[in-house]
Amino acid sequence: QKEVEQDPGPLSVPEGAIVSLNCTYSNSAFQYFMWYRQYSRKGPELLMYTYSSGNKEDGRFTAQVDKSSKYISLFIRDSQPSDSATYLCAVRYSSASKIIFGSGTRLSIRP
Amino acid sequence: SAVISQKPSRDICQRGTSLTIQCQVDSQVTMMFWYRQQPGQSLTLIATANQGSEATYESGFVIDKFPISRPNLTFSTLTVSNMSPEDSSIYLCSVTRDSETQYFGPGTRLLVL
Repeated sequence: QKEVEQDPGPLSVPEGAIVSLNCTYSNSAFQYFMWYRQYSRKGPELLMYTYSSGNKEDGRFTAQVDKSSKYISLFIRDSQPSDSATYLCAVRYSSASKIIFGSGTRLSIRP
Repeated sequence: SAVISQKPSRDICQRGTSLTIQCQVDSQVTMMFWYRQQPGQSLTLIATANQGSEATYESGFVIDKFPISRPNLTFSTLTVSNMSPEDSSIYLCSVTRDSETQYFGPGTRLLVL
């Protein structure tokens, strides 16, 4: 079983829609949860970084962690064509431990 | 943040040859990492490049195949040795200053024929 599972997509939604991206993880010992965005032919960039359970909001982006079900989500409100990218979820045991990545979900926002 | 450049950005190589990838950061960082990203698969950590000492390799990766150098706090190289088509991938350099936030370079796209 993979440590982090992520639906590869592709996911295509119209501009302005709310996007929900999800991951599940296997080990309850993971304490830190991240979302990275990767544009084509670029390296990943950190979008959201959260510790333990709960929600974190940054502009149009909301990250949600449910440790009881080992489920992490990223919501994008008022989606824009510029949000079209691959979104990678990631987990780690501590703030300094190795980051374990999901395989990424490819998102396309249609104008 | 950190500005990271990688050279080359892409290359096509023949099997059995070696390629050295360079990673340059705009300012000093505490840690540098090398990752591999294969199509449809997650980013996989190859090794942590340690300044002044041997790199720390993850399970499944060995120094003979992926020798790494880090001569100072802003530069590292990864060599992919004796390449086979299975080494075709994107290789990414990553750095951190505070152990928490990692920044990634643009990647090197390698195709081995």
